[in-house]
Amino acid sequence: NAGVMQNPRHLVRRRGQEARLRCSPMKGHSHVYWYRQLPEEGLKFMVYLQKENIIDESGMPKERFSAEFPKEGPSILRIQQVVRGDSAAYFCASSPPDGSYEQYFGPGTRLTVT
Amino acid sequence: QQQVKQSPQSLIVQKGGISIINCAYENTAFDYFPWYQQFPGKGPALLIAIRPDVSEKKEGRFTISFNKSAKQFSLHIMDSQPGDSATYFCAASIQGGSEKLVFGKGTKLTVNP
Repeated sequence: NAGVMQNPRHLVRRRGQEARLRCSPMKGHSHVYWYRQLPEEGLKFMVYLQKENIIDESGMPKERFSAEFPKEGPSILRIQQVVRGDSAAYFCASSPPDGSYEQYFGPGTRLTVT
Repeated sequence: QQQVKQSPQSLIVQKGGISIINCAYENTAFDYFPWYQQFPGKGPALLIAIRPDVSEKKEGRFTISFNKSAKQFSLHIMDSQPGDSATYFCAASIQGGSEKLVFGKGTKLTVNP
């Protein structure tokens, strides 16, 4: 049973470019969460999605960041016009629809903005 | 009110010893408290979790102790091994809501052989 998959694992972007991070949840999981981890810091919640719906985006910066989880395909976290402060590890987690609430994390995408 | 405070920031333990990491929270609506283990360059892995209707939960060498009145919970690692050296995060969430996890800042555990 494959775990949460994220790609790319490492992404380098120049300031002003766009970054697209992809997350495929575990099989059977329909809830996806995105978290950001800065060096030596804990994880910070960004957004919670179910298929085709954003449930909670209270942790998303108001500008340049967006997320989607389409009916088919992976969840996408999109960062437009990246700045150096966006450099971080971005983790996706998924949980099943059965109310168990356990979140399982992927290996993360490490974004470096030069 | 959404914070989870974790201590210590770092911990060094001898092999075979007990590692204890503590967390405290303010929001009494939190009702799910997981612990995650993270190795460098990897994603956090769910270790063990507890809900406030029990005061203790044990899985192998890992035990969560929960004190609802004090709004504190802790992770005990018995017979600590060098392979346990990692960063440990406590977290809390409100089930039935957005279920987003609020994380502590982490404890870097080093177990010396």
